[in-house]
Amino acid sequence: ELQLVESGGGLVQPGYSLRLSCAASGFTFSNYWMHWVRQAPGKGLVWVSRINEDGTGTTYADSVKDRFTISRDNAKNTLYLQMDSLRAEDTAVYFCTRGYTSSASCFDPWGQGTLVTVSS
Amino acid sequence: QSVLTQPPSASGTPGQRVTIYCSGSSSNIGSNTVNWYQQFSGTAPKLLIYRNNQRPSGVPDRFSGSKSGTSASLAISGLQSEDEAVYYCASWDDSVIAVAFGGGTKLTVL
Repeated sequence: ELQLVESGGGLVQPGYSLRLSCAASGFTFSNYWMHWVRQAPGKGLVWVSRINEDGTGTTYADSVKDRFTISRDNAKNTLYLQMDSLRAEDTAVYFCTRGYTSSASCFDPWGQGTLVTVSS
Repeated sequence: QSVLTQPPSASGTPGQRVTIYCSGSSSNIGSNTVNWYQQFSGTAPKLLIYRNNQRPSGVPDRFSGSKSGTSASLAISGLQSEDEAVYYCASWDDSVIAVAFGGGTKLTVL
């Protein structure tokens, strides 16, 4: 069964850091692009970042560029999101998802999400 | 303000056909494929339509997608109460070099 399980969310003060993890199972992790998508409370979906199959290529949304770093460990089937200089507007549920087909905006499956709250 | 524009709400009665539209531009829908997601309250999104009009296995054929120029649409026929959810369109945007999502359309089955 395809599965993505996020962890690492929690309450953090503005300016501080947090690292999210996403454990993948049920598929050959190293064969797929992986993405992070977030959703602020009561709001819509916002794409955050992506990483290619071997980790050599990354892309970020402007809102997180230079603050967030996406990475992966294919030996551990795990995706990461290092979030630095966190702001209140980064408060959201963060979903890990797999790139599906050659379409750059096609994602399947999705993890259950992990909540990040940035507040003092 | 989302790059892709969707109506915030839509509604229909059981059995009816409902269409949700997604408007973009030449840098996104006009030059890239569109995907649709369904999200129930408190759960993760689910891929509903990919590459404009393809259904993943397990998605009922009541759901269909199409694309024309810089717009796309999701049609739901034979509306059922369990279709109540928020629907999002998504497409790659060549100008911002990022994935663009629509703001989401909340579908209510009356």
